[in-house]
Amino acid sequence: GAVVSQHPSWVICKSGTSVKIECRSLDFQATTMFWYRQFPKQSLMLMATSNEGSKATYEQGVEKDKFLINHASLTLSTLTVTSAHPEDSSFYICSARGTEVNQPQHFGDGTRLSIL
Amino acid sequence: GNSVTQMEGPVTLSEEAFLTINCTYTATGYPSLFWYVQYPGEGLQLLLKATKADDKGSNKGFEATYRKETTSFHLEKGSVQVSDSAVYFCALRPGGSYIPTFGRGTSLIVHP
Repeated sequence: GAVVSQHPSWVICKSGTSVKIECRSLDFQATTMFWYRQFPKQSLMLMATSNEGSKATYEQGVEKDKFLINHASLTLSTLTVTSAHPEDSSFYICSARGTEVNQPQHFGDGTRLSIL
Repeated sequence: GNSVTQMEGPVTLSEEAFLTINCTYTATGYPSLFWYVQYPGEGLQLLLKATKADDKGSNKGFEATYRKETTSFHLEKGSVQVSDSAVYFCALRPGGSYIPTFGRGTSLIVHP
């Protein structure tokens, strides 16, 4: 089946640094990728939707200058958390869908980000 | 707007017990309905889905039936195992959209 690979799975870094998370579709072309944030014991919050070759569409309340999304190819999207602070600590999950109508999203395994 | 309501957890069961996790939804039109499972430290995996009324999705012993009259999509399994311990998310995807709306998730803990 379709596989989405997310890397790294866990990252710990100091406050003020920038962190990049990669999301790759391994066996299909992902025209659309999604980035979610999940707080402990809560559901997923959609942060942004990105289509290959165009700017990401951010959900209300999500700072686009804080969470930079690049979807440069049909198999790769990146999320960069710029100047990260402890409140950015969370579980970030990407998902991707292909070109077929009604194709479901395939999720990555998530990245646990801890900012000290 | 669209919304999904799940029963609050955690749901704690003994192995081989019967499982029901309730899910109701509010949506316009004819959404598709999904159950996702999230094992500890991992992302979401699609467990089952149903795309129209009266459809039954099933996978790995889990079942859910799309009930339009009660706007529900309850997840059931006849005999749970310890390995089923995870968080289960109910979700809907409106017709014509590819962005799902998730419920808050229900944690299931199965004891030996």
